[in-house]
Amino acid sequence: NAGVMQNPRHLVRRRGQEARLRCSPMKGHSHVYWYRQLPEEGLKFMVYLQKENIIDESGMPKERFSAEFPKEGPSILRIQQVVRGDSAAYFCASSPSSGRGEQFFGPGTRLTVL
Amino acid sequence: EDQVTQSPEALRLQEGESSSLNCSYTVSGLRGLFWYRQDPGKGPEFLFTLYSAGEEKEKERLKATLTKKESFLHITAPKPEDSATYLCAVQGHSGAGSYQLTFGKGTKLSVIP
Repeated sequence: NAGVMQNPRHLVRRRGQEARLRCSPMKGHSHVYWYRQLPEEGLKFMVYLQKENIIDESGMPKERFSAEFPKEGPSILRIQQVVRGDSAAYFCASSPSSGRGEQFFGPGTRLTVL
Repeated sequence: EDQVTQSPEALRLQEGESSSLNCSYTVSGLRGLFWYRQDPGKGPEFLFTLYSAGEEKEKERLKATLTKKESFLHITAPKPEDSATYLCAVQGHSGAGSYQLTFGKGTKLSVIP
């Protein structure tokens, strides 16, 4: 009974490179959420997706960040031209079809920008 | 805008010394209040959902309660393995907030043998 899976667990990028973070939701879950946790700060919502649809991206920075959840395969959070301020832990969560209620989190991807 | 404030920021307890963690919130119509546990280097682990004032839920040494303005996580006779950061989050009814969780910064609990 696999939980939410994220890879890679650790990612190091140099300034200006692209970062791709992957998330596979729990079996039977069709709703995916991405959160960011900066050092000494709480988890902050970024984006909510269903298969092939972005439902709410109100927490996403306007530039360089994008997310998708294709019909087949994992959800992808893409950060283009990374800067040092992007260094953080990025968590994916999933929920059952209701889209509301408890969300179950993956282990996170820790991004370090050199 | 939904807001969550947790106190204290850090708490050290002797093994067996019971205490409570506080979560104060403001939200435009509460859909749910959630407690999570987070160990270093790991993702948040779901503990409880509370939906309405007066509701209580228990799991082993943990008990969560809810009023109209705050929630408490009571820890009875804690053990060292209860050491973790405990996170509180709310989900509101209105607009975008009806999907996203708004988190507090957490309470870091250390239980000393």
